[in-house]
Amino acid sequence: EAQVTQNPRYLITVTGKKLTVTCSQNMNHEYMSWYRQDPGLGLRQIYYSMNVEVTDKGDVPEGYKVSRKEKRNFPLILESPSPNQTSLYFCASRWVSSYNSPLHFGNGTRLTVT
Amino acid sequence: GQQLNQSPQSMFIQEGEDVSMNCTSSSIFNTWLWYKQEPGEGPVLLIALYKAGELTSNGRLTAQFGITRKDSFLNISASIPSDVGIYFCAGPQRGAQKLVFGQGTRLTINP
Repeated sequence: EAQVTQNPRYLITVTGKKLTVTCSQNMNHEYMSWYRQDPGLGLRQIYYSMNVEVTDKGDVPEGYKVSRKEKRNFPLILESPSPNQTSLYFCASRWVSSYNSPLHFGNGTRLTVT
Repeated sequence: GQQLNQSPQSMFIQEGEDVSMNCTSSSIFNTWLWYKQEPGEGPVLLIALYKAGELTSNGRLTAQFGITRKDSFLNISASIPSDVGIYFCAGPQRGAQKLVFGQGTRLTINP
């Protein structure tokens, strides 16, 4: 089954403790992206990657890092999480050949930073 | 960057009613997408619109790409309980590999 898999689904952590949210897709998509969803703000892009070793900032990249060492994986790293990073996070992927191709989303990771 | 404004932000309706929501932008978009997010899941694409004036249906859902290319509309006819969720409009930014989303319309249905 074609899917985008995020782990963990839920995470509660404390300020300053480094964490990684993993994302993996099995559709051989070149493009992958991370979004955060906050009430009243919709989904805002954090980082995206056009292909292996190619990453770029989205609208809200501060406090986050990503890496794309393999095509299927795109982990999101919070080196020193803060309470304002409490949010619902989504990973997504699509073909890069056309920017009109639809995004496929994972089921989300709900992060709470205390 | 470009922003999409969705309205209404929330809707509370009775089962069987029709639903209308819209999305506007201050800039032109060449593609409009409508996604639905159900509780505990990621957004799923419902309808994609690629041409100004286009009207596209997906079952009881109908979406239109505004003539000015600055707006889009989504209608749901004869709502049923499984229509509950958050509906997002989205559009790709020209020249950028980014999909911009509206704030979402949360639909609640009373049986």
